[in-house]
Amino acid sequence: AQTVTQSQPEMSVQEAETVTLSCTYDTSESDYYLFWYKQPPSRQMILVIRQEAYKQQNATENRFSVNFQKAAKSFSLKISDSQLGDAAMYFCAYRRLQGAQKLVFGQGTRLTINP
Amino acid sequence: DGGITQSPKYLFRKEGQNVTLSCEQNLNHDAMYWYRQDPGQGLRLIYYSQIVNDFQKGDIAEGYSVSREKKESFPLTVTSAQKNPTAFYLCASSIRGAGASTDTQYFGPGTRLTVL
Repeated sequence: AQTVTQSQPEMSVQEAETVTLSCTYDTSESDYYLFWYKQPPSRQMILVIRQEAYKQQNATENRFSVNFQKAAKSFSLKISDSQLGDAAMYFCAYRRLQGAQKLVFGQGTRLTINP
Repeated sequence: DGGITQSPKYLFRKEGQNVTLSCEQNLNHDAMYWYRQDPGQGLRLIYYSQIVNDFQKGDIAEGYSVSREKKESFPLTVTSAQKNPTAFYLCASSIRGAGASTDTQYFGPGTRLTVL
């Protein structure tokens, strides 16, 4: 079974600085998807960024980028120019390419932005 | 507006009662999912449905039931058999559910269920 691990329960960063959230996963499959979701205090899950495992290029979305290391099974999220609105729980998630479409989530990292 | 709606936002239930959580989407998505979130944990899959009139158990289906009579709706019933139902419940949907090459799950705002 696939597992996702986020080893940082909490992180904090100064506003306008850069922060990196870590995620590792375990799978025996070669093709899959990885996601970062943000959960603000409203508790709605919001997609931040998505990476297809067969793509070597790291995904980017504005101030958000990932460092995808397939051999190491690592998928970290970098937030540049942190803003107060970035404060939230961040969840890393894995999904198989085929078959059951369920997402496997990590435990989450609570990110605090210090003004 | 297109999106996923869940109702109610807060729900209180007495022990021994069944309760149904609503999830509706107007995104024309094929697949729908129910997740449970407990404090300090990530989401865990309860049930999912890839097409109308078909659904599969997820990792923690015991004590829950679902139906998928319409593409737009995927209600979740929390039965009295669920031993610890107090949690935050999130519904999600995606554009394709079976062997899709690329689909992303989008989430509703959630329902907070408390058992009194």
